[in-house]
Amino acid sequence: DAKTTQPPSMDCAEGRAANLPCNHSTISGNEYVYWYRQIHSQGPQYIIHGLKNNETNEMASLIITEDRKSSTLILPHATLRDTAVYYCIVRGGSSNTGKLIFGQGTTLQVKP
Amino acid sequence: GAVVSQHPSWVICKSGTSVKIECRSLDFQATTMFWYRQFPKQSLMLMATSNEGSKATYEQGVEKDKFLINHASLTLSTLTVTSAHPEDSSFYICSARKRDRYQPQHFGDGTRLSIL
Repeated sequence: DAKTTQPPSMDCAEGRAANLPCNHSTISGNEYVYWYRQIHSQGPQYIIHGLKNNETNEMASLIITEDRKSSTLILPHATLRDTAVYYCIVRGGSSNTGKLIFGQGTTLQVKP
Repeated sequence: GAVVSQHPSWVICKSGTSVKIECRSLDFQATTMFWYRQFPKQSLMLMATSNEGSKATYEQGVEKDKFLINHASLTLSTLTVTSAHPEDSSFYICSARKRDRYQPQHFGDGTRLSIL
């Protein structure tokens, strides 16, 4: 599975959009990009995933560049409850069991 | 939908005892379940992958005789920490996924294990 690179930490003002970047320059054609977040002392929460098209759901939007080497998770109106560690994970491939390998993620601090 | 329940949420026990943790998918059939461990201020580390009805596949460095995994049905997997010692104290988290491997995994809320 392709390795991802994320900034270790980011701040965002409450009510503003939070844009979390992720680089995955070695991604292959059949690998998906998944985003999860983990609020302190809880299990990770699935946010969104995509292959090459931009995706949106009730939680967030996922913007994937045309060359698929990077993506951005957008939380349109961040709240204090969005403070968490956000993980960008790439997985897929014909021989993959579907396991997720977590990196260090980005700690997002939403401030009032 | 896609709810995963993990039980117990926390457990404290004496060194040398065995502890069983249950992971249930409540509203879908989970052909594959995963077990992770997380130490304080660290990321999640995958321990093993279990497919219903077959033996679990353990990640390198994880002792399969220490961490027994059973996935006997499409909705239940168990992790037993045998002869637990203080160094086994950690946050254990399970996840479950439907048959399609591109479907997202859904996680339980974790079990905090403390060995005295």
